[in-house]
Amino acid sequence: EAGVTQFPSHSVIEKGQTVTLRCDPISGHDNLYWYRRVMGKEIKFLLHFVKESKQDESGMPNNRFLAERTGGTYSTLKVQPAELEDSGVYFCASSQVLWEQFFGPGTRLTVL
Amino acid sequence: AQSVTQPDIHITVSEGASLELRCNYSYGATPYLFWYVQSPGQGLQLLLKYFSGDTLVQGIKGFEAEFKRSQSSFNLRKPSVHWSDAAEYFCAVASSGTYKYIFGTGTRLKVLA
Repeated sequence: EAGVTQFPSHSVIEKGQTVTLRCDPISGHDNLYWYRRVMGKEIKFLLHFVKESKQDESGMPNNRFLAERTGGTYSTLKVQPAELEDSGVYFCASSQVLWEQFFGPGTRLTVL
Repeated sequence: AQSVTQPDIHITVSEGASLELRCNYSYGATPYLFWYVQSPGQGLQLLLKYFSGDTLVQGIKGFEAEFKRSQSSFNLRKPSVHWSDAAEYFCAVASSGTYKYIFGTGTRLKVLA
């Protein structure tokens, strides 16, 4: 069974540009989470989908971040326009049974 | 507010030596606790988890952790470290309601040959 996949693995963009990160959860997992780790800091929760609905988006930093989950399958996280402080590693996780999340390899975003 | 503290940012041990990584949490109710490992170039892999019951939890790769409610701790241990254990280790607690994880800042383990 395939794990959580994320694309791209790395992205380097300039300040002001737009970037879209994609996450494909494990098949059948209704819960999908986005987290972010800024260098040297802890991994922080961004938001939680249950199927296609946003259950909790309390961790989204500001309105430059937009997350979607089409048809309850894959999810995208768009940053528009990107700022320097958005650099970090973005992790996606999915779960079917609550309290046990499976994480993807992350997307390393660098904003220059 | 819930929080997780990993007081050691870096730890260096010799191969074959024992290991203990510390984790303290602040949480009102009985927490759900986890240890994850991230090897270079890899994603986060679950080592073990504690939900309830026996406070000594066995995980993969020879790791174990002990939940101590009185000390609000969930320390990770391994009796004999292998060079392949060099990685970054994260302790996390699950928050009620939304089930989001709250992570510590991580401990980077270096293993000397």
